[in-house]
Amino acid sequence: SYELTQPPSVSVSPGQTATIACSGDKLGDRYASWYQQKSGQSPVLVIYEDSKRPAGIPERYSASNSGNTATLTISGTQAMDEADYYCQAWDSSAVMFGGGTKLTVL
Amino acid sequence: QVHLQESGPGLVKPSQTLSLACTVSGGSISTGSYYWSWIRQPAGKGLEWIGRVYPTGSTSYNPSLDSRVTLSLDTSKNQFSLNLISMTAADTAVYYCARGVGAGQKRHFDYWGQGTLVTVSS
Repeated sequence: SYELTQPPSVSVSPGQTATIACSGDKLGDRYASWYQQKSGQSPVLVIYEDSKRPAGIPERYSASNSGNTATLTISGTQAMDEADYYCQAWDSSAVMFGGGTKLTVL
Repeated sequence: QVHLQESGPGLVKPSQTLSLACTVSGGSISTGSYYWSWIRQPAGKGLEWIGRVYPTGSTSYNPSLDSRVTLSLDTSKNQFSLNLISMTAADTAVYYCARGVGAGQKRHFDYWGQGTLVTVSS
């Protein structure tokens, strides 16, 4: 079955750029979405169709997808960005989620 | 604004069947542009997709749960439901309902419920 792999954790200083990777076989041939989940809350869509931001998501959130890796980038990271982030793609007719990355803003 | 709300028992005994409902407000579940999914998350772990149901009633399930799960729609109540049989402790998780949008590989989840904790214990 298709798998998406994320690093368990990423740390960043406030104001710096955070990068979270999601890897999967030929992931660039699929579309990736990203979800933010703050502690005790439901996931929130922050990126869809590789790089599109839903209404209300700050411009500091951007993403790309090429080759075997999708990447979520948060520019000028703020304390409020501290959360778990999950990538998601489709395999055949099934949804796949990455294992999640805990972003810590130090 | 679309709102999804899960309902159902918080405690289920081993071997019993879990039945959850998701009530949708702010939009009709019969709209062909969307589909409706259940996703779960064990404590401290990641997200696991359970399955989806289309307004036509067509369903698709996670292969790992396919033999135990059934999703259905109740358009009169604007609800969709999850039935999961033969529950074990491994099924203890927060269960989320979510709205899916997009076609083909572009599909993603734009609205989520608040989640409901289901514990399997005797």
